Amino acid sequence: QVHLVESGGGVAQPGRSLRLSCAASGFSFSSYGMHWVRQAPGKGLEWVAVIWHDGSNQYLADSVKGRFTISRDNLKNTVYLQMNSLRADDTAVYYCARESFIVTGLLDDWGQGTLVTVSS
Amino acid sequence: EIVLTQSPGTLSLSPGERATLSCRASQSVSSSYVAWYQQKPGQAPRLLIYGASSRATGIPDRFSGSGSGTDFTLTISRLEPEDFAVFYCQHYGYSPGTFGRGTKVEIK
Repeated sequence: QVHLVESGGGVAQPGRSLRLSCAASGFSFSSYGMHWVRQAPGKGLEWVAVIWHDGSNQYLADSVKGRFTISRDNLKNTVYLQMNSLRADDTAVYYCARESFIVTGLLDDWGQGTLVTVSS
Repeated sequence: EIVLTQSPGTLSLSPGERATLSCRASQSVSSSYVAWYQQKPGQAPRLLIYGASSRATGIPDRFSGSGSGTDFTLTISRLEPEDFAVFYCQHYGYSPGTFGRGTKVEIK
């Protein structure tokens, strides 16, 4: 059974940094692309980042490019989101999600999310 | 970038009724790359439909998807109490994928 558990959320001041982690189990982690998707309070879903199964490529949304990085450790079955220069509009629940083995961008399993609040 | 417009914003229905949700793309997309997700309050989204019309594993057959080109539809044939939620369509197959803004199906 696929299990994704996010951690690392909390309250941060504007301009500060946070690192989110997503621990995966129940599947062959190194075979799957992994995504981060966020949801601001009361709002819809916003795709944030993707990293290929082997870490060879990463793509980030324009809204976070230059501030966030995505990485993974296939030995630890964990994907990370390093968030620097945080802004108030980064406040959201951040979900990690597994990409379908068959096609890019289809998210077939999701973690429960971790809340990031950016406030002074 | 392809924009997905979902309508209506809110659908008020009673259990047992049929729900029809719309997702319109700003330009023609391959139906192979349209998905629907359900999100209940306080929970993560769950994949319902992919490839416009294929149900994900474990999804009841009262959920069905259809459409092509720019117009896609999610239909719930008979609403069960547990179906009331927010539904999002998504265009995938590339990075970044695009989500619609959601349709809330609420109990009337």
